[in-house]
Amino acid sequence: QKEVEQDPGPLSVPEGAIVSLNCTYSNSAFQYFMWYRQYSRKGPELLMYTYSSGNKEDGRFTAQVDKSSKYISLFIRDSQPSDSATYLCAMSDGGGANNLFFGTGTRLTVIP
Amino acid sequence: DAGVTQSPTHLIKTRGQHVTLRCSPISGHKSVSWYQQVLGQGPQFIFQYYEKEERGRGNFPDRFSARQFPNYSSELNVNALLLGDSALYLCASSHLLGAYGYTFGSGTRLTVV
Repeated sequence: QKEVEQDPGPLSVPEGAIVSLNCTYSNSAFQYFMWYRQYSRKGPELLMYTYSSGNKEDGRFTAQVDKSSKYISLFIRDSQPSDSATYLCAMSDGGGANNLFFGTGTRLTVIP
Repeated sequence: DAGVTQSPTHLIKTRGQHVTLRCSPISGHKSVSWYQQVLGQGPQFIFQYYEKEERGRGNFPDRFSARQFPNYSSELNVNALLLGDSALYLCASSHLLGAYGYTFGSGTRLTVV
């Protein structure tokens, strides 16, 4: 079993829709939770960062962490064609190496 | 201000050869990490260096090695290349060791034939 599971999609939505992206994990030591956006032929770009459980909002993006269920979500409101990309969840236990464990990534297409 | 720069952007090598990938972190960033991203998968951690010392190593064979120089730039070396080493190799830098402050470069796409 992978430490981080993410539905690879692909996911297609019409412009203006609310998008929900999710990841589950198995390691209860994870404390830092991130969402990255990756455009084709580019490196991942940090979108949201959350420590421990709770919600965080930034513009059209909301990240949620439920540590009791080992489940994290990213919501995108009023989705735009420019949001079309692969979204990667990542997490870390904050230990000495601080390496990130990534999900497979969900490919999102927002149709105009 | 320049972001994380990686070179080369693309590379084709033959099985059994050796490759060196290079990374220049954001100015002032002292931590550099390397990740391997196989097509259709998320990045996998290979190494982290901070202040020129190895601080972490992922589950990769000894054919993979890295180092960090006094100017905080870094090299990733892979010996005896296998077809399965074909991937996008990503470098990420951060000011501290914190897991949240990483900025990734655009990567080096390595194809082994």
